[in-house]
Amino acid sequence: GAVVSQHPSWVICKSGTSVKIECRSLDFQATTMFWYRQFPKQSLMLMATSNEGSKATYEQGVEKDKFLINHASLTLSTLTVTSAHPEDSSFYICSASKDGGQPQHFGDGTRLSIL
Amino acid sequence: AQSVTQPDIHITVSEGASLELRCNYSYGATPYLFWYVQSPGQGLQLLLKYFSGDTLVQGIKGFEAEFKRSQSSFNLRKPSVHWSDAAEYFCAVGDNFGNEKLTFGTGTRLTIIP
Repeated sequence: GAVVSQHPSWVICKSGTSVKIECRSLDFQATTMFWYRQFPKQSLMLMATSNEGSKATYEQGVEKDKFLINHASLTLSTLTVTSAHPEDSSFYICSASKDGGQPQHFGDGTRLSIL
Repeated sequence: AQSVTQPDIHITVSEGASLELRCNYSYGATPYLFWYVQSPGQGLQLLLKYFSGDTLVQGIKGFEAEFKRSQSSFNLRKPSVHWSDAAEYFCAVGDNFGNEKLTFGTGTRLTIIP
């Protein structure tokens, strides 16, 4: 149990376009989901906490207008990178927790490449 | 604020040898502690967790970790590594007061040689 699915796994797009990444909890309800960014050979940096039915909480330094998060249901959160530029290229990973607690269960990540 | 230190950036171990990956944390109370493993281009898989109770916790794939409060450590061990254990390993700490955020260490890359 506790499977988190992330889609797409890899996306390449032109600079200036917007990209949506989905994170789904397949076999449990997740009131809270998390979005991380990981640069090559580095650790995960928390971008924001996504709460079902309310606004996301962004970490310091993360542009909320750039990285739009929607958590419309208990099984789905989306991250939209708006007007993406090459510096937004990265590996984005989501996680979800059952019952609002620990541990977090991670998706397989999305590799975003902006040309 | 909580923090995690993984002192070893890269470790190379022979297949069949024992393994210990170090993790030190900083937290004001008893933390929630986790070890995750990440294969290249993949997400993170939970190996084991410590919330309370027995300080020696068993995880998947033959891994175990020991919580030592006096040393603020949560080292990961495996008695005999397999080539498939080659991956990046992350230690993480979460607080136990309802905030679900995790703070990750910088990771240790494990290479297995034949």
